[in-house]
Amino acid sequence: GENVEQHPSTLSVQEGDSAVIKCTYSDSASNYFPWYKQELGKRPQLIIDIRSNVGEKKDQRIAVTLNKTAKHFSLHITETQPEDSAVYFCAAEGGYQKVTFGTGTKLQVIP
Amino acid sequence: SQTIHQWPATLVQPVGSPLSLECTVEGTSNPNLYWYRQAAGRGLQLLFYSVGIGQISSEVPQNLSASRPQDRQFILSSKKLLLSDSGFYLCAWSVPRPFNEKLFFGSGTQLSVL
Repeated sequence: GENVEQHPSTLSVQEGDSAVIKCTYSDSASNYFPWYKQELGKRPQLIIDIRSNVGEKKDQRIAVTLNKTAKHFSLHITETQPEDSAVYFCAAEGGYQKVTFGTGTKLQVIP
Repeated sequence: SQTIHQWPATLVQPVGSPLSLECTVEGTSNPNLYWYRQAAGRGLQLLFYSVGIGQISSEVPQNLSASRPQDRQFILSSKKLLLSDSGFYLCAWSVPRPFNEKLFFGSGTQLSVL
């Protein structure tokens, strides 16, 4: 089955700096890679996603890159703000739309 | 629009007691349904998923079971809870192929087994 690894597990950045979270996946058949943000005690919310036929996607301060050959993808947050503080999860979708999540990255943006 | 309901929000149960968590989806037909568990400070572990009524796939051998008695209803059960069953349980749904595969999560159930 699919295995998704995510690094780092915790990340602290100064407000205004960039944050990068990296993930690798094992199943070469996976073709959909979403990123979720989870605030404390709340449900995960989709923030951006990318499909295997695209190498990069951007939405305002958030961007995701995908390298299918190397089977890794990354989340980039620029100009970080305190409200970006949360746990971020990467995921990969395999057969039957089974979505496997990474272990999460706790991002802290220091004002 | 589509909505997902999950209840209860919190639950405290003694070890050895049964469990039933329910999730329903409104506004869509034949959704894919999922149960995830999140231990404190940990990632999201897929427990079960279902692509149709009566079709359940289990991802991890454990003390839990799932059922889908109706198209938009997904139930997570246990006959006897263990301490290790404590966690934050999330139900989710997605639209089947060939549409997008985005997951939409319920508000979660915080289960404490004492």
